[in-house]
Amino acid sequence: EVQLVESGGALVRPGGSLRLSCAASGFSFSRYSLNWVRQVPGKGPQWLSYISSAGNTIYYADSVRGRFTISRDNGRNSLYLQLNSLRGDDTAVYYCARVIGALRDFDYFYYMDVWGKGTTITVSS
Amino acid sequence: SYELTQPPSLSVSPGQTASIICSGDKLGDGFTFWYQQKPGQSPVLVIYKDTQRPSGIPERFSGSSSGNTATLTISGTQTVDEADYYCQTWDTTSALFGGGTKLTVL
Repeated sequence: EVQLVESGGALVRPGGSLRLSCAASGFSFSRYSLNWVRQVPGKGPQWLSYISSAGNTIYYADSVRGRFTISRDNGRNSLYLQLNSLRGDDTAVYYCARVIGALRDFDYFYYMDVWGKGTTITVSS
Repeated sequence: SYELTQPPSLSVSPGQTASIICSGDKLGDGFTFWYQQKPGQSPVLVIYKDTQRPSGIPERFSGSSSGNTATLTISGTQTVDEADYYCQTWDTTSALFGGGTKLTVL
């Protein structure tokens, strides 16, 4: 069974740091790109970051660039997100998701075919 | 980047057809993907590449696209289809999500 399991969510004070992990199983991890997506309860999903299968292409949303760092360890079948300088508006459920590229007119359009169950970060003093 | 716009809510009776629209300035330049999310659960992909249905998704779910508008259609809507639905596309280096449509089936 294809599975993604996030961990590392916690209650953290403003300005603090946290590292999320995403453990993958049931598929060839090193062949897939991955995303981190978060969702504030009652709101829609917000994409945060993308990492290619080899880890050599990385994208960030403007709202987290410079504060969050995505990385992966293909030997451990794991994805990570380092979150620094956390703020109250970072409070959300954080998901990792497997990415598939759909080719159209020489460009790839990425979507997410498998999602984890999420881990919750609460930023509060 | 640009924004994807969805109606916040839609209500249909069981057995009716639900059509959820997603619009965006450059949506027609790429593909639209649709996700279903039920309370307390993770999003589930229901349509990819505008019209394709992943394995395990019921045939009553279909997608279409014309110009800068994409539509998710649920034919013969069932009460189990009550959920939030989000459209998504990819714009150069980022994923964009619509604000979501809450589908009520009653």
